[in-house]
Amino acid sequence: NAGVTQTPKFRVLKTGQSMTLLCAQDMNHEYMYWYRQDPGMGLRLIHYSVGEGTTAKGEVPDGYNVSRLKKQNFLLGLESAAPSQTSVYFCASSYGAVNTEAFFGQGTRLTVV
Amino acid sequence: AQRVTQPEKLLSVFKGAPVELKCNYSYSGSPELFWYVQYSRQRLQLLLRHISRESIKGFTADLNKGETSFHLKKPFAQEEDSAMYYCALSGRNTDKLIFGTGTRLQVFP
Repeated sequence: NAGVTQTPKFRVLKTGQSMTLLCAQDMNHEYMYWYRQDPGMGLRLIHYSVGEGTTAKGEVPDGYNVSRLKKQNFLLGLESAAPSQTSVYFCASSYGAVNTEAFFGQGTRLTVV
Repeated sequence: AQRVTQPEKLLSVFKGAPVELKCNYSYSGSPELFWYVQYSRQRLQLLLRHISRESIKGFTADLNKGETSFHLKKPFAQEEDSAMYYCALSGRNTDKLIFGTGTRLQVFP
């Protein structure tokens, strides 16, 4: 039972490069989230999705784009990476938004130089 | 605005001491509160939720709507409790899961 899987686990980018982070879940969850974790700032919501084909902005969406073409996958894109996007990125999924447990991936450590 | 505040970045105690990790929230309507924990080298996982009124690993948390708080408590801390703890908020008025800034708990032997 894989749960939530993030790819890749580590990545170093140069400023201006682009990349896509992949999140896959095998629990048939409707909701999926992308967070970034920074020291002293906790987990901040970047974008989220309430179902296949839908996306919405979170607290810190600038510089990121997302897509949810398939229910099981939620992609996070950085079109032109900046050093301020150096962070640990977490994906999560849940059955719904009301009193349901969110399951997290193992995280992706991204460094932009 | 929906918000979760965890005022302490770091809480250090000795084994056997009581622990209280503070969480305050701002939410219009009936909130749903959670505590998530991240042990070293592990992914975040749910510790407990207010609606279950359960005790997990000796931890309890009571929702106080008057004080808009959901503090996490344990009467006797153990070394294995050392971890990062996040308070989180959701509810029927939102489809987001909002986290606080987290509190690192260090339990010394």
